[in-house]
Amino acid sequence: GAGVSQSPRYKVAKRGQDVALRCDPISGHVSLFWYQQALGQGPEFLTYFQNEAQLDKSGLPSDRFFAERPEGSVSTLKIQRTQQEDSAVYLCASSLVGGADEQYFGPGTRLTVT
Amino acid sequence: SQQGEEDPQALSIQEGENATMNCSYKTSINNLQWYRQNSGRGLVHLILIRSNEREKHSGRLRVTLDTSKKSSSLLITASRAADTASYFCAPDSYNTDKLIFGTGTRLQVFP
Repeated sequence: GAGVSQSPRYKVAKRGQDVALRCDPISGHVSLFWYQQALGQGPEFLTYFQNEAQLDKSGLPSDRFFAERPEGSVSTLKIQRTQQEDSAVYLCASSLVGGADEQYFGPGTRLTVT
Repeated sequence: SQQGEEDPQALSIQEGENATMNCSYKTSINNLQWYRQNSGRGLVHLILIRSNEREKHSGRLRVTLDTSKKSSSLLITASRAADTASYFCAPDSYNTDKLIFGTGTRLQVFP
């Protein structure tokens, strides 16, 4: 069956550009998470949605980061005025019900800011 | 903040040997999950153990949980080269729905 998909898989942006990363969760999954993973580190929580409601955005590193899930399905993570420190892999995960359940991860988007 | 910290950071073994990874966390949990990440398949859920469980098995995986010591262990028996990956524990907490991952244990299994 279809898993979590993310696009693009790779993105190169010049410093100062805006980027938008897309996540398509597993159909019917209520919860959706965004994580940021630096090289050699574990995923770091960014934000969490339950349906269209953003319940926790405590992990977003600055106000340049914005996430939305307007219809409770597809989600977009937007980064404005990208900086070099934003270079990382951005992972999306979904779970059937609550956040503490098993999460299914997408392949990630590798963002490189030059 | 709640975080799983894995130990050791890196582990190298021969095929057929067992691998044990440990995880410590800081505050009370509802459950704790283990995930595996390799370059081929991304991050994959392995097993979830609830706070009222002490041990759980899944195939060659055995997970234990000691809530009094705030620790968990993952044992992989009869390891295979395909088990080469990074392994992360991810505890949750009572008052949030998010998982906090540690830095992981990098396991290398040599044929």
